[in-house]
Amino acid sequence: DIVMTQSPDSLAVSLGERATINCKSSQSVLYSSNNKNYLGWYQQKPGQPPKLLIYWASTRESGVPDRFSGSGSGTDFTLTINSLQAEDVAVYYCQQYYTTPRFGGGTKVEIK
Amino acid sequence: QVKLVESGGGVVQPGGSLRLSCAASGFIFSSYGMHWVRQAPGKGLEWVAFIRYDGSDKNYADSVKGRFTISRDNSKNTLYLQMNSLRAEDTAVYYCAKDPAHYSASSGYYYFDYWGQGALVTVSS
Repeated sequence: DIVMTQSPDSLAVSLGERATINCKSSQSVLYSSNNKNYLGWYQQKPGQPPKLLIYWASTRESGVPDRFSGSGSGTDFTLTINSLQAEDVAVYYCQQYYTTPRFGGGTKVEIK
Repeated sequence: QVKLVESGGGVVQPGGSLRLSCAASGFIFSSYGMHWVRQAPGKGLEWVAFIRYDGSDKNYADSVKGRFTISRDNSKNTLYLQMNSLRAEDTAVYYCAKDPAHYSASSGYYYFDYWGQGALVTVSS
């Protein structure tokens, strides 16, 4: 199984500032035949189901604000939230789908 | 718009059984694979099971293999999860989730573009 490790566990960011969340996989999730990273990011607000933000490591889901961006390849990935808004307070999860789907432990984003 | 509504959750004793349902609407249900994903109280997310668009292929997490069965009725646009031999560690909110892959592209990508609101299953004596 591929283990997903997120850091930090939590972070507090001022409104309008940037939040950066890291995700590391225990082995590469880059499929060489199609050059795609099998990595997604989700946002979960309290009392709600998760919401897909990013897939294939950097493709933004339809309707997701462009302040959310994903980057990285192989084993190291980053979710960046530019100009943090109050409605971005949530727990964020990365997920690999290269093999049996596994999620990272989550990163809680709060307002400083 | 896509809508997924789970039902069937509740309290069950260890060793008991429960069946969850997920009613789907807003998309051609028979063209997409579907998943169950669970979340223990205050914990992270765990993928549970997948079923191909036509029901011909199913995959399970090791933690539920041999105890849980995923199925679907495309004539009723409904997904099911039969849970047997339940344990305390199965206590969680169970979400049904849609796979984004149309059957013409792939049998499943194994990420999740739409989620239901979830059904709480509590295993306790």
